[in-house]
Amino acid sequence: GAVVSQHPSWVICKSGTSVKIECRSLDFQATTMFWYRQFPKQSLMLMATSNEGSKATYEQGVEKDKFLINHASLTLSTLTVTSAHPEDSSFYICSATSRGDGEGTQYFGPGTRLLVL
Amino acid sequence: DQQVKQNSPSLSVQEGRISILNCDYTNSMFDYFLWYKKYPAEGPTFLISISSIKDKNEDGRFTVFLNKSAKHLSLHIVPSQPGDSAVYFCAASNNDMRFGAGTRLTVKP
Repeated sequence: GAVVSQHPSWVICKSGTSVKIECRSLDFQATTMFWYRQFPKQSLMLMATSNEGSKATYEQGVEKDKFLINHASLTLSTLTVTSAHPEDSSFYICSATSRGDGEGTQYFGPGTRLLVL
Repeated sequence: DQQVKQNSPSLSVQEGRISILNCDYTNSMFDYFLWYKKYPAEGPTFLISISSIKDKNEDGRFTVFLNKSAKHLSLHIVPSQPGDSAVYFCAASNNDMRFGAGTRLTVKP
């Protein structure tokens, strides 16, 4: 149980285009979803936190208009990288928490590799 | 199905003692394993890793052990300090990366 999927698993796009990444909780309702970006040295940077039906809370330094997050339902959150540029190339990972789990428990998706040419 | 599992959601240890965090995986194709440490409202920070060709990697107070036959890895912290209190995630990678659900470690003074 407690599986999170991401789609697509990898994407290559041209500079200036927009890319949408989906994050789904497959067998549970996610009260909160998180979006991370992985930088070199492998630490994950928290980009934003989203709760179903409300606006996402962005971390300092993350552009809201560039990284659009929509948490449409308790099982789906999307991250849209608008007007992507080569510096946006990275590994994006989502995670979800479920009501009733212990504090700190998060279920991670498998990640999406984005390459912007 | 979860390919990486951390079966203990929480662990409490006395300061100065050893903390042992465990992680099991199912996919024998994983070739690289990592541990992350996470404080509230922050992203997981890389802590230590190990390649599948090794069975032990040590960095200061942190040691990761890998048992490939059992598909099990563990993180040992010794001596444990109150500042080590955080959520620890293990991860395994091949072409992609799979995370466990985390273990909350509390180190009591």
